[in-house]
Amino acid sequence: DTGVSQNPRHKITKRGQNVTFRCDPISEHNRLYWYRQTLGQGPEFLTYFQNEAQLEKSRLLSDRFSAERPKGSFSTLEIQRTEQGDSAMYLCASSSAGTFKAGWDEQFFGPGTRLTVL
Amino acid sequence: QKEVEQDPGPLSVPEGAIVSLNCTYSNSAFQYFMWYRQYSRKGPELLMYTYSSGNKEDGRFTAQVDKSSKYISLFIRDSQPSDSATYLCAMTQRSNTGKLIFGQGTTLQVKP
Repeated sequence: DTGVSQNPRHKITKRGQNVTFRCDPISEHNRLYWYRQTLGQGPEFLTYFQNEAQLEKSRLLSDRFSAERPKGSFSTLEIQRTEQGDSAMYLCASSSAGTFKAGWDEQFFGPGTRLTVL
Repeated sequence: QKEVEQDPGPLSVPEGAIVSLNCTYSNSAFQYFMWYRQYSRKGPELLMYTYSSGNKEDGRFTAQVDKSSKYISLFIRDSQPSDSATYLCAMTQRSNTGKLIFGQGTTLQVKP
């Protein structure tokens, strides 16, 4: 088990361009999360998948953001028409529902994709 | 007002010192409380988790939760330079999603 992987690790783009990030969760983890972390802040929840179903989206996830998890394996997060305010670290986490420890399951985080919008 | 408040620091201590990190929160529905450690340019990693009120000890680390005061703490004994990192408190309520609500993070530097 190599943990959660994210690609690319860094992305520099110009304002108005579209970008797509990929997350590969720990194998057999059926829960997948996306968080956004800006400089000097803690991660903020963006969206959650259980298997292939997207079950919750934060109001932070504007219409320019879309996430998918086809076949319940890897996930992609796309940002259209990027803005400078989108510059942040995008973190992916996965967990396995069913291994509840007193009602919650540990989320394992990937190294993140750092996005810079010029 | 944020649901979870955490002093960002930075906090600088000499090696061997006892470190105290704290968070306050406003949502009384939170039941699960975690501390994550994040090294520069890395993802957060779970240090400790506590359910409801009480104390939990793991080696040099002790986590405390006081639900009546909506206050959680992490104590690090005999701090080491390798403990230098950002410490994030996080919490969640029992739900179908398990989404975490994080504090801002406290940056800790332990000087040799």
